[in-house]
Amino acid sequence: GAVVSQHPSWVICKSGTSVKIECRSLDFQATTMFWYRQFPKQSLMLMATSNEGSKATYEQGVEKDKFLINHASLTLSTLTVTSAHPEDSSFYICSARVQGHYGYTFGSGTRLTVV
Amino acid sequence: TQLLKQSPQFLSIQEGENLTVYCNSSSVFSSLQWYRQEPGEGPVLLVTVVTGGEVKKLKRLTFQFGDARKDSSLHITAAQPGDTGLYLCAPRQDDKVIFGPGTSLSVIP
Repeated sequence: GAVVSQHPSWVICKSGTSVKIECRSLDFQATTMFWYRQFPKQSLMLMATSNEGSKATYEQGVEKDKFLINHASLTLSTLTVTSAHPEDSSFYICSARVQGHYGYTFGSGTRLTVV
Repeated sequence: TQLLKQSPQFLSIQEGENLTVYCNSSSVFSSLQWYRQEPGEGPVLLVTVVTGGEVKKLKRLTFQFGDARKDSSLHITAAQPGDTGLYLCAPRQDDKVIFGPGTSLSVIP
């Protein structure tokens, strides 16, 4: 089946530094990927839609200059959290739609802790 | 944007009991998906419903899509500890998946 690989699975960084999270579609091409953020005991909130070869589309309230998204190939999208602060600590999850299917495949998530 | 509700928000039951989780909106859905998420993992697709009134079964799980396609339910029969997790309904909206607030289920052995 379609697999989305997300890396790293967890990361701890110092406040003020930047962190890059990768999302790869392993056995299919994904022209569109999605990035979500999830705080403890809450649901997933869509942050942005990543489009291959073009600019990402951000949801209302999400700072595009803070959460940089690059989708340079059909199998890779990256999310960079710039100048991270403790309030950015969260679980970040990517997903991709498999062509010809209704469903979306999700990565296993990245636990970001900013200290 | 539509307002999506799920109930109950939290549910703790004994092994072997039955339960139903509800997903409601004021908007009509073209299709709706149910996912289950375990702690520290991404959500996993359980089912997609498309047609009003549709009923789908997945072992002990029964999914129903409302006739008007504004609501859906998930019924679990004889719950097992392995059913523990966060259950999320997610209607399709402009080719995006927008999740409901979720129902956190805990099945106690």
